[in-house]
Amino acid sequence: EVQLVESGGVVVQPGGSLRLSCAASGFTFDDYAMHWVRQAPGKGLEWVSLISWDGGSTYYADSVKGRFTISRDNSKNSLYLQMNSLRAEDTALYYCARSERLSSYFDYWGQGTLVTVSS
Amino acid sequence: EIVLTQSPGTLSLSPGERATLSCRASQSVSSSYLAWYQQKPGQAPRLLIYGASSRATGIPDRFSGSGSGTDFTLTISRLEPEDFAVYYCQQYGSSRGTFGQGTKLEIK
Repeated sequence: EVQLVESGGVVVQPGGSLRLSCAASGFTFDDYAMHWVRQAPGKGLEWVSLISWDGGSTYYADSVKGRFTISRDNSKNSLYLQMNSLRAEDTALYYCARSERLSSYFDYWGQGTLVTVSS
Repeated sequence: EIVLTQSPGTLSLSPGERATLSCRASQSVSSSYLAWYQQKPGQAPRLLIYGASSRATGIPDRFSGSGSGTDFTLTISRLEPEDFAVYYCQQYGSSRGTFGQGTKLEIK
C-alpha cells in the first residue's frame, strides 16, 4: 500500500525556519518525482515545489522561490522541504504528493502537516 | 503561467441529479495534461481524472472528463451522497502544476 506521511509542522514565528519531512513507503521511491502542495485554511490548493526522481531538477512557485528548498534522500525514502524566512501567508496545511514524471498528475497524496506562522 | 478558472464557484444539486463542472485555461493545455481531484473536509485530495478524460483507478464510471485546449468539463452523471465535496482541476503540462480555485458541490 502506498503511504506518504508528512511531519514537522509546528507554530513558528515570522522570519523563522522549519523543515518538513515526508516518509514514503509501499512503492519504489526513486521511480517518482515528488511535490509539495499547500492549502491555507479555508482556501484552495497551491502547488509549492517539485523535485525529480534523482534530485537533479527542482522547481518552485514564485511565492516561495529563494526561501524554500526541496530535497530528497532516496536511501531513506524521504522528501524534505526546508522553509526559511517564513511569513504569515505561509500558514497552511502542507501535503506531499507523487507523480510518475516531472509533468504528470499527482496520484497519491499524504494527509498533510500544518504549519502556522504567527507571533 | 497558465491560469485555470473554475465555474461555478458553488453548485447546489440534489442526489440523483447530473453535475457539470467547468475548468477554463488562460492558454492551451498541452497534450490535454488536465486532471481533476476531489477533496472532502479533513481529507487529502483524491485523483479522479487525468489526461482530461481517463478515470483513475477505482473511480466510479459516473465520473467522466472531457475537453481539450482551453475548455474542460467534469461530469458526474448521477450524484451520490458521497460526491458532495470540493473539486479542483489542475494542469500539469508545465513543471508547475497549477490548480483552479475549486468548485464546491453542495447538497440542495
